[in-house]
Amino acid sequence: DVKVTQSSRYLVKRTGEKVFLECVQDMDHENMFWYRQDPGLGLRLIYFSYDVKMKEKGDIPEGYSVSREKKERFSLILESASTNQTSMYLCASSLYGSSYEQYFGPGTRLTVT
Amino acid sequence: AQSVAQPEDQVNVAEGNPLTVKCTYSVSGNPYLFWYVQYPNRGLQFLLKYITGDNLVKGSYGFEAEFNKSQTSFHLKKPSALVSDSALYFCAVRDISGGYNKLIFGAGTRLAVHP
Repeated sequence: DVKVTQSSRYLVKRTGEKVFLECVQDMDHENMFWYRQDPGLGLRLIYFSYDVKMKEKGDIPEGYSVSREKKERFSLILESASTNQTSMYLCASSLYGSSYEQYFGPGTRLTVT
Repeated sequence: AQSVAQPEDQVNVAEGNPLTVKCTYSVSGNPYLFWYVQYPNRGLQFLLKYITGDNLVKGSYGFEAEFNKSQTSFHLKKPSALVSDSALYFCAVRDISGGYNKLIFGAGTRLAVHP
């Protein structure tokens, strides 16, 4: 089974802090994605990556950056956390050239106070 | 632009009754359509997909979905609901804008199955 793990299930940070969310997948998938999930808005794509050191902006990249130094790891960075970044963050991975089926991690619920 | 809509925020069904969770889409070209489910405090799990072929697609946990091109719909169905089916359901469509393969998700529909 594909396993996607995220470093924390719950995280509480203060406004202005730098926040790192880590995601690791164990199935040698080329593609990795970061989403945020908010009630009534569904999942919105923040950033994605199709290869090591490669990144592309999604629909809502403002206030976020990412890093992919190794194939299995994709990090989401909040340079200066703000209260409007309080949300559930979901990481996903998929095979390159697959029929787009994505495998998701359990999510990190981030609260910025 | 590609988009997907789930017109119902919540669907309530009695256990044992059939259920339908609605999804409509707007795409250019052939649609690739997906359903995912999110159980409480869990990540999303893939249920089923339509790429091509039969309009009725069967997936996990007894779910199926019917692709209707004329109505641009991809409704999720199950003949007999279980209390354990209570979860958040997301419809998604493939997006290839910008030359990359991504998914666009609907807002989600909460399914509540009552004993």
